[in-house]
Amino acid sequence: SAVISQKPSRDICQRGTSLTIQCQVDSQVTMMFWYRQQPGQSLTLIATANQGSEATYESGFVIDKFPISRPNLTFSTLTVSNMSPEDSSIYLCSVEDYSYEQYFGPGTRLTVT
Amino acid sequence: AQTVTQSQPEMSVQEAETVTLSCTYDTSESDYYLFWYKQPPSRQMILVIRQEAYKQQNATENRFSVNFQKAAKSFSLKISDSQLGDAAMYFCAYRTWNTDKLIFGTGTRLQVFP
Repeated sequence: SAVISQKPSRDICQRGTSLTIQCQVDSQVTMMFWYRQQPGQSLTLIATANQGSEATYESGFVIDKFPISRPNLTFSTLTVSNMSPEDSSIYLCSVEDYSYEQYFGPGTRLTVT
Repeated sequence: AQTVTQSQPEMSVQEAETVTLSCTYDTSESDYYLFWYKQPPSRQMILVIRQEAYKQQNATENRFSVNFQKAAKSFSLKISDSQLGDAAMYFCAYRTWNTDKLIFGTGTRLQVFP
């Protein structure tokens, strides 16, 4: 299974600012995913990031609000832009291996004040 | 649209006892994958077990096993000999073979009492 790290692990940000979350994998992977988990809720997929192409966003999520980069096969970033308190969540990245199993990073806990 | 339902928001079990967590799903696909994930309070999601829809045999991983009923679209998780470390949120998830999207249920919080 892949080992995934995320930075930062948590942050407190002021509304109107932006935060970039980094996701690093210890092996090359094709598919990387970004999820949001609001307090006490399940996971909601934000977007899928393939290296070398534009990210694919799910309904309700737009690139202007959540721009994603995928510069290589081991790294991705998610930016939460122009933040509001409603963006307070845990943000998780995950990768999928050849057997369709997804492995998750430890998450980034974001609080917007 | 595919959906995953976990009807038990919370469950509790005594240490060393057995507990079963329920999951149902709705799909028109015949080929898909089902997963159970565990999320302890530390929040790292961990894959517990997986089941391919084309396999009739129920998956087993040590103390964790599933009861997969394809016709009923049911996929329950049985935890045997429960341990304090099993306390966590458990999420059921579904994926078709031809998409890369995991659909999660709402989760079941499992408490384990000594």
